[in-house]
Amino acid sequence: DAGVIQSPRHEVTEMGQEVTLRCKPISGHNSLFWYRQTMMRGLELLIYFNNNVPIDDSGMPEDRFSAKMPNASFSTLKIQPSEPRDSAVYFCASSPPDRRNEKLFFGSGTQLSVL
Amino acid sequence: EDKVVQSPLSLVVHEGDTVTLNCSYEVTNFRSLLWYKQEKKAPTFLFMLTSSGIEKKSGRLSSILDKKELFSILNITATQTGDSAVYLCAVVVYGQNFVFGPGTRLSVLP
Repeated sequence: DAGVIQSPRHEVTEMGQEVTLRCKPISGHNSLFWYRQTMMRGLELLIYFNNNVPIDDSGMPEDRFSAKMPNASFSTLKIQPSEPRDSAVYFCASSPPDRRNEKLFFGSGTQLSVL
Repeated sequence: EDKVVQSPLSLVVHEGDTVTLNCSYEVTNFRSLLWYKQEKKAPTFLFMLTSSGIEKKSGRLSSILDKKELFSILNITATQTGDSAVYLCAVVVYGQNFVFGPGTRLSVLP
């Protein structure tokens, strides 16, 4: 089992550039979550999808952030334009449909640095 | 608004000590409570608790949930330096949303 796969592992970019983070959930999982983690704010939920449909995007900071899930095996989180305050670790996580096994499996994260 | 609080936020102990980490919550439509351990990168799953009073154990770690008082504790006995990590508590609410607490940073000194 490959687990949740995120890319890139590290991203360094300049302010104003577009950043795209990618995630492949575990096969068979029907929910996908994007989290942002900083020292100051801890783990913050940005958006989550259930069966490829966005359910709650109230955590998306502003219009510069957008997320898509075109199919069950792929999701992207895009920041355009990026700002230094977006620097954080971005985690993707997936969860299976079985309610008895309702837990999050995390990817390794993308360390984003916006200069 | 759903809220999860953890205490202490930071803890320093010596190897061999026993620690108790606390998690309290105020949520609507509680489904379950999860504990995770985060070392360098991604959080890894420890326990899932759904029923009050039933202790879950894994080696030196154990956890229990009190749904009446809305809290859970995570115990680690005979701590080792490898237990140093951030311990996260998360509550699953209706709609399969996971609400995380701020975490407890545990440092175990040799």
